[in-house]
Amino acid sequence: QVQLQESGPGLVKPSETLSLTCAVTGGSVSSGSSYWSWIRQPPGKELEWIGYISYSGSTKYNPSLNSRVTIFVDTSKKQFSLILSSVTAADTAVYYCARDVQIIGRSYYFDYWGQGTLVTVSS
Amino acid sequence: QSALTQPRSVSGSPGQSVTISCTGTSSDVGGYDYVSWYQQHPGKAPKLMIYDVGKRPSGVPDRFSGSKSGNTASLTISGLQAEDEADYYCSSYAGTYRFRVFGGGTKLTVL
Repeated sequence: QVQLQESGPGLVKPSETLSLTCAVTGGSVSSGSSYWSWIRQPPGKELEWIGYISYSGSTKYNPSLNSRVTIFVDTSKKQFSLILSSVTAADTAVYYCARDVQIIGRSYYFDYWGQGTLVTVSS
Repeated sequence: QSALTQPRSVSGSPGQSVTISCTGTSSDVGGYDYVSWYQQHPGKAPKLMIYDVGKRPSGVPDRFSGSKSGNTASLTISGLQAEDEADYYCSSYAGTYRFRVFGGGTKLTVL
């Protein structure tokens, strides 16, 4: 059973950088065909896909966040991370990491999710 | 404004059936058979209930079913139970640029 757990600061100041990590157990971040996504949910609002990193290290980001987002993986630590720069209050949200199933031409969905971590952007 | 449109709320009595719609465009829901549905109880992580329009993961009751017609996908829950009360979100693959989009969520109330 794959399990994911987010960690990182719960409070970030405006204009600074948000940094979160997702620890993966029961699965490998570097196994063939594995993809790992970050998704966020502002309070009372809908889910928003942020981006993913693949088993090979390739990435893809939501066009609306592309210039501020970086996702990278640390295979030795079995975790992947999210960096979001120049944050504003609009970035306040619960941030989830999830295993992203992508079988090109056949299947796309998120099958395992972390519990989520609330990040508040405030001075 | 959400990429995919869902009703804000639906309700039903125990034992009844309810259907939640998810309307997109030919660039997402209508263009691909990659719609998934997630159940979220308050303060909890979303849980995958349906993937690829109508497939159920292991462990999800067969009371949950999914379908699609044109640009609209639907989640039907039959034999409503109290524990089904939750928020439900749809998601769709949206091509190589937008990639993945979500609906605004629907609050299901079991009366």
